[in-house]
Amino acid sequence: NAGVTQTPKFQVLKTGQSMTLQCAQDMNHEYMSWYRQDPGMGLRLIHYSVGAGITDQGEVPNGYNVSRSTTEDFPLRLLSAAPSQTSVYFCASGDSATNEKLFFGSGTQLSVL
Amino acid sequence: EDQVTQSPEALRLQEGESSSLNCSYTVSGLRGLFWYRQDPGKGPEFLFTLYSAGEEKEKERLKATLTKKESFLHITAPKPEDSATYLCAVRPGGYNKLIFGAGTRLAVHP
Repeated sequence: NAGVTQTPKFQVLKTGQSMTLQCAQDMNHEYMSWYRQDPGMGLRLIHYSVGAGITDQGEVPNGYNVSRSTTEDFPLRLLSAAPSQTSVYFCASGDSATNEKLFFGSGTQLSVL
Repeated sequence: EDQVTQSPEALRLQEGESSSLNCSYTVSGLRGLFWYRQDPGKGPEFLFTLYSAGEEKEKERLKATLTKKESFLHITAPKPEDSATYLCAVRPGGYNKLIFGAGTRLAVHP
């Protein structure tokens, strides 16, 4: 019963460093997405994918890259970390056509100093 | 612009004291309104989907309702274990994304 697995749970970076947040799901969902959650602002969509090899931008894509080489994995890359990217990041997956019910991972808390 | 506003930001209830959370939305071509529950340090957990005005769904002490401009999450006789942040989200027509509100933090005290 793994569901959506995110690693790491916590990460501290220095400004300018790069890193990859990992996300894997074992439910054979076509749809996967990345959100960031900031106090008072709700969850905001960064990037999403409707299947292997297909990705698209969400509301706040700048400074982030994604790729989808398999159905199971959807990593999020921070190219050059900035303090404004300090946030909690959530990966979510859902059924392809309607993705009505999203399943979320437990989150990655990222601090950029 | 598609937008979701939740109120109140925080709500404190005594155990057994019923109340309602509000989610107001403006969206082009609503394809669904969603309620999620989020516990501290965890990801959101799906509760309900509503598709059309007049629709209602229930789960234990929770009941969600939908009108053309807002949704309510009614909590009947809450227990301390209902304490969490409740998130509302909408899906605009033609888009593969959810737009979330900032949430309501609910605290139920014995």
